[in-house]
Amino acid sequence: DSGVTQTPKHLITATGQRVTLRCSPRSGDLSVYWYQQSLDQGLQFLIQYYNGEERAKGNILERFSAQQFPDLHSELNLSSLELGDSALYFCASSVDVRTGTEAFFGQGTRLTVV
Amino acid sequence: GDSVTQMEGPVTLSEEAFLTINCTYTATGYPSLFWYVQYPGEGLQLLLKATKADDKGSNKGFEATYRKETTSFHLEKGSVQVSDSAVYFCALSDRGLQGNYGQNFVFGPGTRLSVLP
Repeated sequence: DSGVTQTPKHLITATGQRVTLRCSPRSGDLSVYWYQQSLDQGLQFLIQYYNGEERAKGNILERFSAQQFPDLHSELNLSSLELGDSALYFCASSVDVRTGTEAFFGQGTRLTVV
Repeated sequence: GDSVTQMEGPVTLSEEAFLTINCTYTATGYPSLFWYVQYPGEGLQLLLKATKADDKGSNKGFEATYRKETTSFHLEKGSVQVSDSAVYFCALSDRGLQGNYGQNFVFGPGTRLSVLP
């Protein structure tokens, strides 16, 4: 158990809908990362937060947004969903943002868009 | 930008065979290097890491050495077990070049390892 909690574990929704994925980082970790894992594109970095502030942005679509709250949990919002958004979404956390700080991953949320 | 290349596999070995999974990277800065492992149905787990040139990371019989001259971080294990069957990801972390300079993690495509009894 990495200590990172993601909910829900599975989500099935229709195209055009909006969903929210939730992540609670390990106790003491201030930084949260979101990744998308799909069969054809591998593990893609979406966005990183540190202590509530956005710190790095990857290949995150404009239809997607995220935030980190004062209690350090984070939410990833996916809207106007398309079939191609079906994937595993991972959250990871680390104690800070210094290079070399290992990230600990949750078990992921499997999103299926039908 | 930064990138990680690794053999995609699948790699199939017999139990007790020697394992090498090659990983090379391209980075603008001076990255830290990691190997993560993903077992079926689970998230990624850190296997080992190295933060500077010539550092050797090791864990559970796996080893990898940070080779700056060849920009490589190959994963090795002397004798694999059936329980090592998983997907292995090579990754680097570097300072982000945009925004507020967070840590930029870049992952390779993953290598699926199957170990047969």
